[in-house]
Amino acid sequence: DQQVKQNSPSLSVQEGRISILNCDYTNSMFDYFLWYKKYPAEGPTFLISISSIKDKNEDGRFTVFLNKSAKHLSLHIVPSQPGDSAVYFCAARVGYQKVTFGIGTKLQVIP
Amino acid sequence: DVKVTQSSRYLVKRTGEKVFLECVQDMDHENMFWYRQDPGLGLRLIYFSYDVKMKEKGDIPEGYSVSREKKERFSLILESASTNQTSMYLCASSLFGTSGGSNYEQYFGPGTRLTVT
Repeated sequence: DQQVKQNSPSLSVQEGRISILNCDYTNSMFDYFLWYKKYPAEGPTFLISISSIKDKNEDGRFTVFLNKSAKHLSLHIVPSQPGDSAVYFCAARVGYQKVTFGIGTKLQVIP
Repeated sequence: DVKVTQSSRYLVKRTGEKVFLECVQDMDHENMFWYRQDPGLGLRLIYFSYDVKMKEKGDIPEGYSVSREKKERFSLILESASTNQTSMYLCASSLFGTSGGSNYEQYFGPGTRLTVT
């Protein structure tokens, strides 16, 4: 049973426009949420995170929004750049150790 | 600069062989993790360790074991490799932290692409 769901396997966006990647979760015990980015032939790298006590966190072009009542979070990238083309994994954590990942969304930013 | 290294980028083994995947981190992190990544399934946790000689099962531990004799090193062992263990294996490490808003994100190695024939 997938506790973290990324229902869109892929997304294409024009350079300069906004990219919105979505993630839904089922476990109400998750207390921390993270986004990772993965390029081919490399390990995932941490991008941005948000605590369950917040509803928004911003870091440069990247903003994560959390809607706890809907059990939904989203990652906004504005403006999108070709170098943002990668697979994005949504992840969630209960406690301090184990992280549950979604299956990923492949983002393609078209120049 | 933080670093997680994995012993091999590509590995080809035969069915029934014993396989060792090694991971080393130089960040003095307490936690270490082994995942496998498969198309359509994302990253799935196999085992993790929060201290030397300690280990915990993840979501898919069957067919695998681990060893953590030193803080910086975490090994994944396939006792008898099978074709369904063909996958990308990713090692990660993180600081030990409590819940309640702590970040402690995981740092990943580059991965080992294992093919079992």
